[in-house]
Amino acid sequence: KQEVTQIPAALSVPEGENLVLNCSFTDSAIYNLQWFRQDPGKGLTSLLLIQSSQREQTSGRLNASLDKSSGRSTLYIAASQPGDSATYLCAARNYGGSQGNLIFGKGTKLSVKP
Amino acid sequence: GAVVSQHPSRVICKSGTSVKIECRSLDFQATTMFWYRQFPKQSLMLMATSNEGSKATYEQGVEKDKFLINHASLTLSTLTVTSAHPEDSSFYICSATGDSYGYTFGSGTRLTVV
Repeated sequence: KQEVTQIPAALSVPEGENLVLNCSFTDSAIYNLQWFRQDPGKGLTSLLLIQSSQREQTSGRLNASLDKSSGRSTLYIAASQPGDSATYLCAARNYGGSQGNLIFGKGTKLSVKP
Repeated sequence: GAVVSQHPSRVICKSGTSVKIECRSLDFQATTMFWYRQFPKQSLMLMATSNEGSKATYEQGVEKDKFLINHASLTLSTLTVTSAHPEDSSFYICSATGDSYGYTFGSGTRLTVV
């Protein structure tokens, strides 16, 4: 059974700092892994999706990496801004099962102080 | 990019009444839609998967008669919480996919049952 863990649960950094959010998963047979952002009381915004055959994806100041063998993914945020404050969720999708079988971590709540 | 609209964003209802939540894909045909429930500081938990024109597939522990899901078209799925109780108060989020690539999430519905 796939389990997704995110560490740390919360992170507070000063503006401008580079930071890394961690995500680990127990079953390496994933179809893809997706990073989302969730603002308080809001839905999820997809940030980056990494297919199982890929090692990383980049979008602007965000870079996500995937290491299936070690069951890890990281989300790197460069030059953080107060607007980056939100909860970041990673979700692993396995082969087989229902297509909705995204297994989510509990998220990392990021606070960027001006 | 793909957009999913979820309505209402917030609803307060009396115990014993029913509430309907709509999820629409605005610019793509969603062959599959998913309904999640999220408790405070917790992961998203998949409730059910619905495919257009067929019955929804519910996850273990989710009451089919309580959470009615209808996916009548390729752009609309509805979740009806019947005979709502205070313990049904939660954040409900839908997502949709038109292919096996990624998922687009709605903005969520905060349900409060009083």
